[in-house]
Amino acid sequence: GAVVSQHPSRVICKSGTSVKIECRSLDFQATTMFWYRQFPKQSLMLMATSNEGSKATYEQGVEKDKFLINHASLTLSTLTVTSAHPEDSSFYICSASKQGAGNSPLHFGNGTRLTVT
Amino acid sequence: RKEVEQDPGPFNVPEGATVAFNCTYSNSASQSFFWYRQDCRKEPKLLMSVYSSGNEDGRFTAQLNRASQYISLLIRDSKLSDSATYLCVVTPNTGNQFYFGTGTSLTVIP
Repeated sequence: GAVVSQHPSRVICKSGTSVKIECRSLDFQATTMFWYRQFPKQSLMLMATSNEGSKATYEQGVEKDKFLINHASLTLSTLTVTSAHPEDSSFYICSASKQGAGNSPLHFGNGTRLTVT
Repeated sequence: RKEVEQDPGPFNVPEGATVAFNCTYSNSASQSFFWYRQDCRKEPKLLMSVYSSGNEDGRFTAQLNRASQYISLLIRDSKLSDSATYLCVVTPNTGNQFYFGTGTSLTVIP
């Protein structure tokens, strides 16, 4: 089955530093990948849609200069949390579906738990 | 209006019970439908796709009602291990739009 790999699974960083999270589709090409954030006991919140070779589309209220997304290839998207603050501590998850497969479900990475101290 | 509406619950049911969740969707052009399961502090995992004719996988049955624009998930003979949050996902199959319900929390009690 389709696999999406996300790295790192857990990261602790100090306020003011930047953290990069990678999302890879291992056995399929993904023109589009999605980045979500989930706070404890809350629903998944879509942050942005990452498009290969073009700019990401950000959801309302998500700062594009703070959450930098790069989708340089059909199998890799990265999310960089810049100048992280404690309120950015959350569970970040990426997902992708197979390119060209109209009824293909979303496949999720295993998530990255970010703690900013 | 939200694209997908889902009762957040929580649903607390005894072992062996049958429980059903519904999701309603607003876009009649929606083409594909899925149920996911999310365990605490984990990513969502695909439970099953929902086909027009309805489909069953063991104790789980998914159904689609296009006329009333809802999908359902029925769990029979609930197990403790079924405790999780169940998410419905709807897509018009454009490849870049997937709409999520807020998730329904299920706890199966011994």
